[in-house]
Amino acid sequence: DAGVIQSPRHEVTEMGQEVTLRCKPISGHNSLFWYRQTMMRGLELLIYFNNNVPIDDSGMPEDRFSAKMPNASFSTLKIQPSEPRDSAVYFCASGLAGGNEQFFGPGTRLTVL
Amino acid sequence: GENVEQHPSTLSVQEGDSAVIKCTYSDSASNYFPWYKQELGKRPQLIIDIRSNVGEKKDQRIAVTLNKTAKHFSLHITETQPEDSAVYFCAASLGGNNRLAFGKGNQVVVIP
Repeated sequence: DAGVIQSPRHEVTEMGQEVTLRCKPISGHNSLFWYRQTMMRGLELLIYFNNNVPIDDSGMPEDRFSAKMPNASFSTLKIQPSEPRDSAVYFCASGLAGGNEQFFGPGTRLTVL
Repeated sequence: GENVEQHPSTLSVQEGDSAVIKCTYSDSASNYFPWYKQELGKRPQLIIDIRSNVGEKKDQRIAVTLNKTAKHFSLHITETQPEDSAVYFCAASLGGNNRLAFGKGNQVVVIP
């Protein structure tokens, strides 16, 4: 099993640009979680999906952030427009709805200049 | 909501000694408690977990103990090795769903 796959691994962009982060969950998993990690705030849950349906997006910081899961094997997190304070590592994790274990992808390190 | 706290924030141990990290939580409905290890620049990796119907679980050199009455659980690492140096995160499930609330992490440094 390839595990959770995220792309890109690193992204450097300028303030105001649109950023799209991608995630492929582990095959067979039907829960998907987007987290943001910074030194100051630790690991924050942004949004999670069960069976492709967004269940809780209360962690999404602002309207500039949006997430989609068009099918069971793909999700995107979009930031438009990006700001320097969005700089962080964004992790995607997957698991089984009804279970608890979550398995993390390698993360995307985002730098907004 | 759930509040998860870890102590101490940084722990240094001599190689071969034991390390213990304690985590407290606030939601009495939490029933799943995982520990993740994150090495520098890497992803958090699940190393051990425990459910509320069990008091202790072991896996080789690591163990987790749970005290539901006091709402705390601890990670024990025995015979520490340099490769155990990392940040360790505890988490607790939120009520009846599969969300996790994470602590801020403990930096463990094993001194050779």
